[in-house]
Amino acid sequence: GDSVTQMEGPVTLSEEAFLTINCTYTATGYPSLFWYVQYPGEGLQLLLKATKADDKGSNKGFEATYRKETTSFHLEKGSVQVSDSAVYFCALTVNSGNTPLVFGKGTRLSVIA
Amino acid sequence: SQTIHQWPATLVQPVGSPLSLECTVEGTSNPNLYWYRQAAGRGLQLLFYSVGIGQISSEVPQNLSASRPQDRQFILSSKKLLLSDSSFYLCAWSPHGRPDTQYFGPGTRLTVL
Repeated sequence: GDSVTQMEGPVTLSEEAFLTINCTYTATGYPSLFWYVQYPGEGLQLLLKATKADDKGSNKGFEATYRKETTSFHLEKGSVQVSDSAVYFCALTVNSGNTPLVFGKGTRLSVIA
Repeated sequence: SQTIHQWPATLVQPVGSPLSLECTVEGTSNPNLYWYRQAAGRGLQLLFYSVGIGQISSEVPQNLSASRPQDRQFILSSKKLLLSDSSFYLCAWSPHGRPDTQYFGPGTRLTVL
């Protein structure tokens, strides 16, 4: 079945450090890929997405590139802030009718000043 | 604009008591609806999803059930809570036929004592 594997956290970084959160996937079809973010005490919200190979999704300084050859969608940010502390979820869907999203287990990021 | 409501925000219940969590969506019609569970330190687990009134798909067999009595209302229930049901419960919606972009509610923190 379809699945998403994320690097295990927690990840702790100093402010202005470079961030990478790895995400790889397995899918039977041609998936769309997503990153969702969950700030403390809240629900998830969509951060960025990419729907085809070599697409780059970007939002709020975060970027991720859809790499079909390596089945990856790593999340990056050049300079993190304390306000980026959250749990980040990688997800996919093969856009087959109403098939729900498949989420990774999430990676907790803590940014310290 | 669309909004999603969940209540209550927090709930403390004794073991063996019943449960009813409610989720409603405004500003859209015929949405897909989802219930997730997020245990402390663990990932997001899809419990149920619905593509229409009275249509419920169960992803994980357990002592929980879901119902969709109205187009924009989704209810998570249990007849007898277990200690292991303590978790953070999230409701989400997506446009019908478009499970790729989900919008999450604020969540309900359930503690079973």
